[in-house]
Amino acid sequence: QKEVEQNSGPLSVPEGAIASLNCTYSDRGSQSFFWYRQYSGKSPELIMSIYSNGDKEDGRFTAQLNKASQYVSLLIRDSQPSDSATYLCAGPLFSGGYNKLIFGAGTRLAVHP
Amino acid sequence: DAGVTQSPTHLIKTRGQQVTLRCSPKSGHDTVSWYQQALGQGPQFIFQYYEEEERQRGNFPDRFSGHQFPNYSSELNVNALLLGDSALYLCASSSRETQYFGPGTRLLVL
Repeated sequence: QKEVEQNSGPLSVPEGAIASLNCTYSDRGSQSFFWYRQYSGKSPELIMSIYSNGDKEDGRFTAQLNKASQYVSLLIRDSQPSDSATYLCAGPLFSGGYNKLIFGAGTRLAVHP
Repeated sequence: DAGVTQSPTHLIKTRGQQVTLRCSPKSGHDTVSWYQQALGQGPQFIFQYYEEEERQRGNFPDRFSGHQFPNYSSELNVNALLLGDSALYLCASSSRETQYFGPGTRLLVL
């Protein structure tokens, strides 16, 4: 089992809809998760971090963490064509006394007008 | 406040050559991590430097080595380049868990 798994997509949603991106992880000890957005040809940009169970909202973005189910999601409300990008989920893997960040393969989101 | 910077932005090398990539972290950050991102994949962790020492290493061969300087900047060196080393190389800086990426260096090995 991969440490962080995401559906590669593409996930296609119409403009104005809610986009729902999902991620599962294998390390039960993971305490924090991060969502990055990556436009084609660019580097990942941090959009959300979440450290505790429940929801965290930031503008049109809501991150949800369920540690019991080892599941983290990102909701994008009122999706815009400019949201079209690959969304990477990342979580820490504790090893050798330190955490290293493990990324999923990313989900490609396409928002069409 | 300058963000994470990397140089060069693009690089073309031939098989067997050696390459050095450079990274300067965000102001106030003391930890630098390096990642390799192949096309269509998520970033793969190479190693992490803190206080001028390699603190963590991913599943990469010894051809990949690094260094961190007293000013927290860092270098990634790759020896004996292979075609499969062609990728986007990302540097991320952090002071705690949250990592911020630089623009990356795109390496093409011919």
